[in-house]
Amino acid sequence: QQQVKQSPQSLIVQKGGISIINCAYENTAFDYFPWYQQFPGKGPALLIAIRPDVSEKKEGRFTISFNKSAKQFSLHIMDSQPGDSATYFCAAGGTGRRALTFGSGTRLQVQP
Amino acid sequence: DVKVTQSSRYLVKRTGEKVFLECVQDMDHENMFWYRQDPGLGLRLIYFSYDVKMKEKGDIPEGYSVSREKKERFSLILESASTNQTSMYLCASSLFSGSSYGYTFGSGTRLTVV
Repeated sequence: QQQVKQSPQSLIVQKGGISIINCAYENTAFDYFPWYQQFPGKGPALLIAIRPDVSEKKEGRFTISFNKSAKQFSLHIMDSQPGDSATYFCAAGGTGRRALTFGSGTRLQVQP
Repeated sequence: DVKVTQSSRYLVKRTGEKVFLECVQDMDHENMFWYRQDPGLGLRLIYFSYDVKMKEKGDIPEGYSVSREKKERFSLILESASTNQTSMYLCASSLFSGSSYGYTFGSGTRLTVV
């Protein structure tokens, strides 16, 4: 069963543009929503995370927007750069769950 | 920084072989995980361990087993490798139990079964 649905599967953005990746979850018990960034040949690395007590979290050019009622959260990359080209995974976890559940991934390509 | 080391970057094995994938973390983390990564499917949990000699099945445990004899080492075992187990395997560790905190991943082992 896919408890976290991620879209789009791939994304091409021009340098300086905004990249937006969306995720939706089903289980209302989830209360931790991280995003991971993976470069080719590397393992995923934690990029930014949010808990449902806030609707937005910003770290530099990266922002998570969270909509609890819609059970959706998204990653926004402002002023996208070629160095942001990577695969991004959303995930969900929380109290009572032993391990994170990941989305299917989005391959982002930022063109110069 | 926590370091998670997977012993092999690439492996090629024959169908039917018993395969061992090794993972070591150096920061005394209680929790360790094995995921496999496939295009379009994301990361799927195979097994995890929250203590030495303890293990729990994830979402896709069939055809796999694990061993955790020491806190820092978590091994994934393919009892009889099959071509549908060709994949990228990722090991991760976490200081805190549960899934409310971030993981540190290794660089992965790309396994090809021929």
